[in-house]
Amino acid sequence: DTGVSQDPRHKITKRGQNVTFRCDPISEHNRLYWYRQTLGQGPEFLTYFQNEAQLEKSRLLSDRFSAERPKGSFSTLEIQRTEQGDSAMYLCASSPTGDSGYGYTFGSGTRLTVV
Amino acid sequence: AQKVTQAQTEISVVEKEDVTLDCVYETRDTTYYLFWYKQPPSGELVFLIRRNSFDEQNEISGRYSWNFQKSTSSFNFTITASQVVDSAVYFCALGVVDYKLSFGAGTTVTVRA
Repeated sequence: DTGVSQDPRHKITKRGQNVTFRCDPISEHNRLYWYRQTLGQGPEFLTYFQNEAQLEKSRLLSDRFSAERPKGSFSTLEIQRTEQGDSAMYLCASSPTGDSGYGYTFGSGTRLTVV
Repeated sequence: AQKVTQAQTEISVVEKEDVTLDCVYETRDTTYYLFWYKQPPSGELVFLIRRNSFDEQNEISGRYSWNFQKSTSSFNFTITASQVVDSAVYFCALGVVDYKLSFGAGTTVTVRA
């Protein structure tokens, strides 16, 4: 297993366009998380999945954001009608459940620039 | 609500100096976990340590050491004899429920040769 993979690594888009990011977690991890990191700040929680179920969404996740994890494997994060304020690093992480639930493995992130 | 404060935005040291990163946390929960992560320029968050709220023992791992004090709600991190490869952004984080993490704003450490 090569860890958590995110694609693309970088994305530049024009304001108003839609973008979609993909995350492939570690195969045996049931939990998958999305975090957003703006310049000079720590990562902020966006949402997480237990298998295919999306269990919680942060209020940071406006209605322009949608995340899915079909079949409990990879996940996608879509941003519709992008705004300049969406420019950030989007980090995906996965972990097992149970006592090891905090055993996060982070991906390298997708850096989004909205121009 | 949970909060993590890393008061130091940037620290610059000369190689072989020791550097201590401060972390203060806030939570009303009695069971929680504290973490330190390293983020090199490549962007990936690298796990360094996890401690639970019931284990206040200090820990040493090579050149890294951690001081956990519940009385002051602090979880400080010291790099001894720093090296250029230690240059990165370091994040302290707090986990309370559902395995979600609350991160501090990070401290950028620059080690000059």
